[in-house]
Amino acid sequence: EVQLVESGGGLVQPGGSLKLSCAASGFTFSGSAMHWVRQASGKGLEWVGRIRSKPNNYATSYAASVKGRLTISRDDSKNTAYLQMNSLKTEDTAVYYCCRLDPEMEVIWGQGTLVTVSS
Amino acid sequence: SYEVTQSPSVSVSPGQTASITCSGDKLGDKYVCWYQQKPGQSPVVVIYQDRKRPSGIPERFSGSNSGNTATLTISGTQAMDEAEYYCQTWDSSTVVFGGGTKLTVL
Repeated sequence: EVQLVESGGGLVQPGGSLKLSCAASGFTFSGSAMHWVRQASGKGLEWVGRIRSKPNNYATSYAASVKGRLTISRDDSKNTAYLQMNSLKTEDTAVYYCCRLDPEMEVIWGQGTLVTVSS
Repeated sequence: SYEVTQSPSVSVSPGQTASITCSGDKLGDKYVCWYQQKPGQSPVVVIYQDRKRPSGIPERFSGSNSGNTATLTISGTQAMDEAEYYCQTWDSSTVVFGGGTKLTVL
């Protein structure tokens, strides 16, 4: 079964850090670019960033709103992608989804994990 | 940065055809996906590569993309189709989402 499972969400104070994980199964993870998308409560979908595959040098790209604070990485040996979140702000509060978003491949979304930034 | 625009809301009567549009500069030159999202649930792709339906998506969902506009059409709309719909495309190194359209089935 094709699946993405996010974990690591929770409550964190402003200025704090959190690391999300995304475990993949059922497809060739190492050949896929992986994306993170977030959604604040009652709001639309916002692309956070992506990491490409090894043949593409694991190149990363980020939305301007998170650049310099959020970092995407991956471990192909574990079929897992990560989102390291530093210097968190209250406006980072959202459900974070891990996705495979490739125009030439099957689109895959995880179920999401909630991150709440609050004192 | 590239942007796509959706109307905030569309209303349709049961059994009628609903059309949801997504507009962007030369959008027809890019692939578009459409997602359905119901409250408390993850987005579900209903159309990918402009007009293809994933397995399990009813035939009443169809898509097109030409010029500056992509369109999601739901024929014979059912009450279960009431949801938020998002278009999504790619622009160079980024992914772009529309703001979403709330479909109400009256």
